[in-house]
Amino acid sequence: KAGVTQTPRYLIKTRGQQVTLSCSPISGHRSVSWYQQTPGQGLQFLFEYFSETQRNKGNFPGRFSGRQFSNSRSEMNVSTLELGDSALYLCASSSLPAGEGYEQYFGPGTRLTVT
Amino acid sequence: GENVEQHPSTLSVQEGDSAVIKCTYSDSASNYFPWYKQELGKRPQLIIDIRSNVGEKKDQRIAVTLNKTAKHFSLHITETQPEDSAVYFCAAPMNYGGSQGNLIFGKGTKLSVKP
Repeated sequence: KAGVTQTPRYLIKTRGQQVTLSCSPISGHRSVSWYQQTPGQGLQFLFEYFSETQRNKGNFPGRFSGRQFSNSRSEMNVSTLELGDSALYLCASSSLPAGEGYEQYFGPGTRLTVT
Repeated sequence: GENVEQHPSTLSVQEGDSAVIKCTYSDSASNYFPWYKQELGKRPQLIIDIRSNVGEKKDQRIAVTLNKTAKHFSLHITETQPEDSAVYFCAAPMNYGGSQGNLIFGKGTKLSVKP
């Protein structure tokens, strides 16, 4: 099976712009979670989608949004970028919701730099 | 909501020694506790997990112990090798009205194994 893929891998944007990141889960997986990873802060949960519905959302401002399509591919969007949004954005997929004890498989991440 | 504390943030050991990383969680309803390993520049990968109905689980040189009463769980690595050098993350699920939600991750422990 192909692993989780994310595009693009690297992105440089300017403050105030918006960005869309994409995540393709492992075939058959219906849950996609998004995390922001920054040095010293670990993996901070953004949101989880399951069967096209947002299941949970982390403590991030409304500038961060996402969606999931019928083929389970997911996108996240960040509007009005700020310098503090520079981070590695990871998505992870699992066959069923991750908190229920199903292994999450992570993608390679998208490195976003905001200048 | 769930809060996961992880200690220490950095750990340096000599090759062959043991390493122990500890995590505490706040939600007594949590019942699934995974550990992820992230090597430099790579994606996090699940190395071991434990469910609340067991107190210990082993897989070769790694083991995880769980104390539900005290609400803490630990990762034990014996006979450490240089390839064990990585950042390790523990996690626990957020509880939403009786169902297990997204995973909340600790901030990570950077383990360095010196040859």
